Amino acid sequence: SQTIHQWPATLVQPVGSPLSLECTVEGTSNPNLYWYRQAAGRGLQLLFYSVGIGQISSEVPQNLSASRPQDRQFILSSKKLLLSDSGFYLCAWSVGSGTYEQYFGPGTRLTVT
Amino acid sequence: AQSVTQLDSHVSVSEGTPVLLRCNYSSSYSPSLFWYVQHPNKGLQLLLKYTSAATLVKGINGFEAEFKKSETSFHLTKPSAHMSDAAEYFCVVSDQGGYNKLIFGAGTRLAVHP
Repeated sequence: SQTIHQWPATLVQPVGSPLSLECTVEGTSNPNLYWYRQAAGRGLQLLFYSVGIGQISSEVPQNLSASRPQDRQFILSSKKLLLSDSGFYLCAWSVGSGTYEQYFGPGTRLTVT
Repeated sequence: AQSVTQLDSHVSVSEGTPVLLRCNYSSSYSPSLFWYVQHPNKGLQLLLKYTSAATLVKGINGFEAEFKKSETSFHLTKPSAHMSDAAEYFCVVSDQGGYNKLIFGAGTRLAVHP
């Protein structure tokens, strides 16, 4: 069966510090991968998605970037965090290119102080 | 363009009573529709999905939803609420742009009282 991991689970970082969040998927090949942010009391905002190694699409211009160095690894990064980067970050995967469901990881709670 | 509107931001029910979470969608084509649930500080879990087969869709934990094209609705129901059902629920429509991208509603927070 497929599983998705995210780490760390929680993170407290000062403004201006770098960020690296990691997401890995097991049990499937060539998944589509997604990064979302969920701000407090708000819905999900799609940040990036990837359909293959090195293929990244950005949905919202911002302080963050994403990379996919391996087929089942998706990394979210920032060089300098802003207070507004605080939130709950979720990684998800899907397969196929139609209108299929996504499966979500457990999330990372990021607090920028 | 596709969109989804969850008509209630908060719903409160007593344990053992029915649950109704309302969702309307807008789509220029025949969409796929989903309901996800999120417990506090957890990821999202797929409850059920509609993909143009049967209009009444049964999901996990006793939830079901009915696709009504004439009303552009996809309401989520459960006959009897349990305390463990307290969570945030998201109605979701597939994005016509492909890559399995999804468009999320704003969410409905369900509270269940003893």
